[in-house]
Amino acid sequence: GENVEQHPSTLSVQEGDSAVIKCTYSDSASNYFPWYKQELGKGPQLIIDIRSNVGEKKDQRIAVTLNKTAKHFSLHITETQPEDSAVYFCAASLGGGGFKTIFGAGTRLFVKA
Amino acid sequence: NAGVTQTPKFQVLKTGQSMTLQCAQDMNHNSMYWYRQDPGMGLRLIYYSASEGTTDKGEVPNGYNVSRLNKREFSLRLESAAPSQTSVYFCASSGGQGRYEQYFGPGTRLTVT
Repeated sequence: GENVEQHPSTLSVQEGDSAVIKCTYSDSASNYFPWYKQELGKGPQLIIDIRSNVGEKKDQRIAVTLNKTAKHFSLHITETQPEDSAVYFCAASLGGGGFKTIFGAGTRLFVKA
Repeated sequence: NAGVTQTPKFQVLKTGQSMTLQCAQDMNHNSMYWYRQDPGMGLRLIYYSASEGTTDKGEVPNGYNVSRLNKREFSLRLESAAPSQTSVYFCASSGGQGRYEQYFGPGTRLTVT
């Protein structure tokens, strides 16, 4: 079955710097790759996603890149702000159905003011 | 529009007790899911319901049962709670039919002593 590995588990950056979180997946049939942000005491919230027919997607300060050949995808946050501090999860999904979604273990991002 | 709501927010059970976690969504979504979140392990799917009237097992279904009461509501039952079921439980929903993103509830923190 699908397996998703996420690195690093903890990331600390200075405000204004960039942050990069990387994930690899094992099932080459996966075709949907969402990223979720989870703030303390809340449920995860989708921040960006990418489908397998696209190599890169950007939304303001957030971008995701996908390399299907290498089976890895990354989240890039530029100009980080203290409010970006949270836990970020990547996931890989087969066919887009939630029942086929496997999550990474999460990255705790600290943005220091 | 409340999105996904869960009750209760917190619960403490003794080993062997039973309880039902309630989840409801008001987005007219077809699919609903129950996850558990443990430290360092991301989110793991317990059960899902692809559409009203259907339910199926996820990665970690042992010790749980579910009921898709109607399109809005999806409950998770622990028949005989065990300390290994101490976790944070999240309900989620998605629209299906090409709409892949999942919307999560605020979670239920369950402790089994």
